[in-house]
Amino acid sequence: GAGVSQSPSNKVTEKGKDVELRCDPISGHTALYWYRQSLGQGLEFLIYFQGNSAPDKSGLPSDRFSAERTGGSVSTLTIQRTQQEDSAVYLCASSLGTGGEETQYFGPGTRLLVL
Amino acid sequence: AQSVTQPDIHITVSEGASLELRCNYSYGATPYLFWYVQSPGQGLQLLLKYFSGDTLVQGIKGFEAEFKRSQSSFNLRKPSVHWSDAAEYFCAVGRLKTSYDKVIFGPGTSLSVIP
Repeated sequence: GAGVSQSPSNKVTEKGKDVELRCDPISGHTALYWYRQSLGQGLEFLIYFQGNSAPDKSGLPSDRFSAERTGGSVSTLTIQRTQQEDSAVYLCASSLGTGGEETQYFGPGTRLLVL
Repeated sequence: AQSVTQPDIHITVSEGASLELRCNYSYGATPYLFWYVQSPGQGLQLLLKYFSGDTLVQGIKGFEAEFKRSQSSFNLRKPSVHWSDAAEYFCAVGRLKTSYDKVIFGPGTSLSVIP
């Protein structure tokens, strides 16, 4: 596709369940970011995949959060044993390169609601 | 460590009035600076970016921003605001590409436009 896509667009789950959120970056983009945006809040950095290097996981809020990027393309963000405070919009972005000068292209987000 | 502040959480302006959104950064090196916009129900979109050269940068939708190194600022301006400009605006900073690095986003400024 032409842009970054994310699925599902909306997810409602029960507290304690695991969820997987998917991101398809723009083809050929080396870098991939995950962010969390809570209601009325800014962007909270979660994790950054930078080419073939080890990902920067410094933003993951707890060990219930993990992410993978397979084959340098699709990424999955997994939240285990979801809590109500995990409710937020999860945004994925990709960029052509991995440097600080790169423009990020954002997906539409996955809106997660934990009941 | 790099950081970005946006002192104004929320701004309200009348349609047709001028606009200035403030952004300050803390950085030990030459920064790359970005402004992104998030319209209601939309993903984030790049408005403009500064790397080097002319400190006044033109972007899309009639926006401009000025880099002032002495003030560590990168304020966003628009001479005449339109109702469609109501959105969340994020300033971001990246580092000179000496190695892999991530972009840091500010907390955002919410803009409301009064008809």
